[in-house]
Amino acid sequence: DAGVIQSPRHEVTEMGQEVTLRCKPISGHDYLFWYRQTMMRGLELLIYFNNNVPIDDSGMPEDRFSAKMPNASFSTLKIQPSEPRDSAVYFCASSPSGPFAYGYTFGSGTRLTVV
Amino acid sequence: AQSVTQLGSHVSVSEGALVLLRCNYSSSVPPYLFWYVQYPNQGLQLLLKYTTGATLVKGINGFEAEFKKSETSFHLTKPSAHMSDAAEYFCAVSERGAQKLVFGQGTRLTINP
Repeated sequence: DAGVIQSPRHEVTEMGQEVTLRCKPISGHDYLFWYRQTMMRGLELLIYFNNNVPIDDSGMPEDRFSAKMPNASFSTLKIQPSEPRDSAVYFCASSPSGPFAYGYTFGSGTRLTVV
Repeated sequence: AQSVTQLGSHVSVSEGALVLLRCNYSSSVPPYLFWYVQYPNQGLQLLLKYTTGATLVKGINGFEAEFKKSETSFHLTKPSAHMSDAAEYFCAVSERGAQKLVFGQGTRLTINP
């Protein structure tokens, strides 16, 4: 089992550019979560999916952020246009279905720097 | 609404000493509770979890935590710290039936030789 795979590991982009972060969850996990980690705000849940359907996107900060899950093995988080305050580490995590007693498995994260 | 408070953003102990990281939660129903560890430049790794049953939970790397409902606490302990325990530790809570985890702000653990 390769775990949750995120790409790229690091991304540096200029303000105003579009950024796309990618995630491959663990096979068989029905839930996928996107988190953002910053020093000031800690870990924030942005959005989560169940069986590829977005369930709760109340944490998405602005319309500049969008997330999709076209199939069970792939999800993207897009920021367009990007701003310096979007600089953070973005984590993807997945979890099996059923009673929520398993916790999440996290990817290694994407460190985004917007200059 | 659920919330988690980790007392102390930074804890420093000597190698071989007891590690105690504090976590208090707020939840309207008995929750599921978790501790995660994050090593530098890595994702979060599950240390241990409490769901039902025994209130003293053992995890990886010699860590354990005890669920105390009366104190709404889930403190993490390890009898003897090792240099490799230096990392950031996160407590998290989820209400039963809910899929979202709410994380505390984290505690950075430093081990002094």
